[in-house]
Order: sequence, then C-alpha cells, then structure tokens
Amino acid sequence: GAVVSQHPSRVICKSGTSVKIECRSLDFQATTMFWYRQFPKQSLMLMATSNEGSKATYEQGVEKDKFLINHASLTLSTLTVTSAHPEDSSFYICSARDRRGGETQYFGPGTRLLVL
Amino acid sequence: SQELEQSPQSLIVQEGKNLTINCTSSKTLYGLYWYKQKYGEGLIFLMMLQKGGEEKSHEKITAKLDEKKQQSSLHITASQPSHAGIYLCGAVLPGSGNTGKLIFGQGTTLQVKP
Repeated sequence: GAVVSQHPSRVICKSGTSVKIECRSLDFQATTMFWYRQFPKQSLMLMATSNEGSKATYEQGVEKDKFLINHASLTLSTLTVTSAHPEDSSFYICSARDRRGGETQYFGPGTRLLVL
Repeated sequence: SQELEQSPQSLIVQEGKNLTINCTSSKTLYGLYWYKQKYGEGLIFLMMLQKGGEEKSHEKITAKLDEKKQQSSLHITASQPSHAGIYLCGAVLPGSGNTGKLIFGQGTTLQVKP
C-alpha cells in the first residue's frame, strides 16, 4: 500500500521556538495532504488541507499564522508550529490523498510534540 | 455534537470471540473509511466503503455500509491479541465537495484478552 512518512517522530522544544514537521508521500504523488491534531484519548481533528502549489485551507478556529503550511511539491508538505507554547503540545498526524487509488487517504505515523 | 458516532467507546473481549463496532451518522455519507490506530502511532487503512449495501472483507475483518449510507459496522471474527487497538471510522460529508476532508468518530478502543 501507499506509504506516508513524517519527520521527526517526536520533538521536544522550549516555549517560544518554532518547530517544523515534514510529511512525505514516499511512493505516490499527493496533490492534497491533510494535517490533523490528536489529543490523548481523543479523535483526530482536521486542522488544514494542504494543496500543492496553492495556499492551505484552514479549518475554523485554527490560526493560520500559528500553524504555517507549505506544500512545495507533490510529495512533501510541511507544518511549522510558530512560537510554540505548552498548549500546542499534541500528536500531529498528516495524511495524503492518493488519486491513483481513488479517494483513499493514507496516514503518516504521527509526530509527538512536547513544548516545555 | 459528534457527526459520527461510534459505539461502543471501548470493548474488552476474550481471544477467539467475535465482536462488532458501529459507526452512525445522521447524514448520508459519500464514503466511509475504517482505520486502526495503535496508541501514539499513525492510522492504518483498513477498508473504504462507498456504495450502499457494500461489504468488504480482509482476513478476519468485515465492514459493511447500510443501504442508506448512514451506518457502518466493522466485524472481527475470532479476535486475536493483534486486533487490539483503536478503531476509527472516518467519512466524507455532503457539502465537502471534492476536498476529500474527513471527519472522524471518537474511536473504539479494543482490548483482546489472551
């Protein structure tokens, strides 16, 4: 099946710093990638839709200046958490939409962010 | 309110037993996805259902979508410890166009006792 990777798998940073998370589709092209956030024992909440070559679409309540998304190529989307604070600590998961196989979304392994 | 309701929220079964997880929406769904997640890890794609009445199976897992495309069930036969994890249903809602945006149920945590 299609493979999506994320890097880093976990990161610990100080409050006020910025953190970049990469999402890559390894064996397919993804014109659309999605970024989710998941709190402990809760479901996934969609943060934004990342479109290759255009601006990301953010869900209501998600600060676009706080969570910068760049989708520079058909295999890479990045999420940058700017000026991170402890409340940004969470599990961030990306997914990529493989158009070859219909509308199925494949998920990355997730990135655990801890802001001290 | 939760647009996708999963039940039960958690389940503990003895190895070898069958079990069913349900996912219900008040709206007709364009597509229904089942994923499995181990705590702290990503989601593993299990199956996607699009047509009313559709049923798919993979190994010991069978998923069905009702004719109205508002309810899906995931059935595991002869459960094994390897089936343990969090099962999430996800769906494309009407009005989302071709964005592919998924909403998820709250998940069902399954434990299988050896």
